[in-house]
Amino acid sequence: QSALTQPRSVSGSPGQSVTISCTGTTSDVGGYNFVSWYQHHPGKAPKLMIYDVSQRPSGVPDRFSGSKSGNTASLTISGLQAEDEADYYCCSYAGSYSVVFGGGTKLTVL
Amino acid sequence: QVQLVQSGAEVKKPEASVKVSCEASGYTFTSYGISWVRQAPGQGLEWMGWISGYNGNRNYAKKFQGRVTMTTDTSTSTAYMELRSLRSDDTAVYFCARWELTTTSFDYWGQGTLVTVSS
Repeated sequence: QSALTQPRSVSGSPGQSVTISCTGTTSDVGGYNFVSWYQHHPGKAPKLMIYDVSQRPSGVPDRFSGSKSGNTASLTISGLQAEDEADYYCCSYAGSYSVVFGGGTKLTVL
Repeated sequence: QVQLVQSGAEVKKPEASVKVSCEASGYTFTSYGISWVRQAPGQGLEWMGWISGYNGNRNYAKKFQGRVTMTTDTSTSTAYMELRSLRSDDTAVYFCARWELTTTSFDYWGQGTLVTVSS
């Protein structure tokens, strides 16, 4: 199972919006509505931000939103804040009780 | 509140084995699965496999099949991950995470365990 494809880095200024893409295949992203996104600050545990493509867990700000079209999922962060600076990983169900992660995207808040 | 508490850092020699534990609390252990995810230095997250807290069913990522064993002890709500024949590229932080099967997402994570493989 190959890792999902994410841009290595994205950046934006406070208050702006950024979108992180996550491209897979029909065997993972395109085949299931089970894409999740994780925020990871180095040295800490990852945090679930989006599940089921577009659902937010309780406590996650509505500045974070997710979507999917075909084999590509996207995470959009609007109203960027300094604390959003982190690594972001997408993850997709890939069948037979397996998942695959994306390579990760480093978000820099300028 | 849900907590996953992992065992401490380990230093191992090549070809040795390591066993990392993950003690769960704050929820019904048998109602969820536990996955193991690792992050090598400078690399991304890598899924290693999953075990059911209910019946012990498991599925390992192809890359680790034959070298990894995941087990649970429901009497102590603890999951274990044993990795054998360690190599230097197994040096990583290993995380356990609660796997919510209906959404296939990882909603709670352990704090991570650093495993260093060095001669």
